[in-house]
Amino acid sequence: DAGVTQSPTHLIKTRGQQVTLRCSPKSGHDTVSWYQQALGQGPQFIFQYYEEEERQRGNFPDRFSGHQFPNYSSELNVNALLLGDSALYLCASSRTGGKTNSPLHFGNGTRLTVT
Amino acid sequence: AQKITQTQPGMFVQEKEAVTLDCTYDTSDPSYGLFWYKQPSSGEMIFLIYQGSYDQQNATEGRYSLNFQKARKSANLVISASQLGDSAMYFCAMREGPRNFNKFYFGSGTKLNVKP
Repeated sequence: DAGVTQSPTHLIKTRGQQVTLRCSPKSGHDTVSWYQQALGQGPQFIFQYYEEEERQRGNFPDRFSGHQFPNYSSELNVNALLLGDSALYLCASSRTGGKTNSPLHFGNGTRLTVT
Repeated sequence: AQKITQTQPGMFVQEKEAVTLDCTYDTSDPSYGLFWYKQPSSGEMIFLIYQGSYDQQNATEGRYSLNFQKARKSANLVISASQLGDSAMYFCAMREGPRNFNKFYFGSGTKLNVKP
């Protein structure tokens, strides 16, 4: 049973560039959320995708956008990269209608470094 | 105000001893869930234990137990019989209400070091 998979594992970009991160949810899950984890901090919610639409969004600028595909996989796009975007980006998946005690299942993350 | 507060940036514990990691939370929603995750250096967030706001008893999962004090808004994680493999970052997280199923609030974490 495959868990949440993310690619790439590491990425180095230059300030001002654009980046795309990819996520495949755990088998049987249909909802994907993205989190940003800066060094030494806890993850922060970016947004959630369900049925190919953004359903909820955290306090992140429009430079952060996403997409969900019919197979439930998802992409996170960040435009006009800033040094402060350097972080571990975590993808989490869940199943709609899950029990209240259902945790989010996380991938290993993509480590983005902006120079 | 911070939704989740973890006041211990780092903790040391001797192998085979018990350790308590502190977590306080802030919410006005009567329905919420509290989660603890372990994050090894590999980066993956590993779910450990859950406590619901309406649960009458403290949650337990193997060596992990949750000391839930609702009036104090605290949900401390207790790890019994610590093992070297328990060395990692530990995060407390909260889900508010059924509409925010995927929006978790995380604390800043506690780095646990288990000494042989």
